[in-house]
Amino acid sequence: SQKIEQNSEALNIQEGKTATLTCNYTNYSPAYLQWYRQDPGRGPVFLLLIRENEKEKRKERLKVTFDTTLKQSLFHITASQPADSATYLCALGYSGNTPLVFGKGTRLSVIA
Amino acid sequence: GAVVSQHPSRVICKSGTSVKIECRSLDFQATTMFWYRQFPKKSLMLMATSNEGSKATYEQGVEKDKFLINHASLTLSTLTVTSAHPEDSSFYICSARVFAGSTDTQYFGPGTRLTVL
Repeated sequence: SQKIEQNSEALNIQEGKTATLTCNYTNYSPAYLQWYRQDPGRGPVFLLLIRENEKEKRKERLKVTFDTTLKQSLFHITASQPADSATYLCALGYSGNTPLVFGKGTRLSVIA
Repeated sequence: GAVVSQHPSRVICKSGTSVKIECRSLDFQATTMFWYRQFPKKSLMLMATSNEGSKATYEQGVEKDKFLINHASLTLSTLTVTSAHPEDSSFYICSARVFAGSTDTQYFGPGTRLTVL
């Protein structure tokens, strides 16, 4: 079965720095990969989607890369702010009717 | 983006009672919705896939008689926790699937916090 690992359970960084979160998977390469943000006591919110034939995607201060050779996606938040503190989930998507497969998430804390 | 609502947001009930949670897609139709539960500081655990007009598909280890799912319309799926026990206390989240070409995105509801006394 597919296994997803998000680099660490928790990550602390200083305000203004770039936060980099890692999502690694084994076995089958997904057709696309997504990143979600989840705040405590709330449902996840969709942030970005990147397809298997795309290397990089950007949205404002967010950047996602997808390396199918390394079986890895990196999620960057530049000029991080305390408001970026949340849990970030990666999810693998496959063609057909297969549900998304979610990682356990990384809890990011941006310290002022 | 697409909006998904859940009701209630929080419920406290006595052991042995049944609780119904509603999940609605507000501005789009969803043939497929998903139900998850999440324990504190843990990952989302997929419970079942809810398909409009047909029976839900349950993940291994999830009791279908315990967690009844009904997807009667393209905008509403309900999860009923029957004869709830304290171990059923959890955060329940639904999501609705939106297809766009060859990819799909799941839009999540805000979640329902269930506490069984």
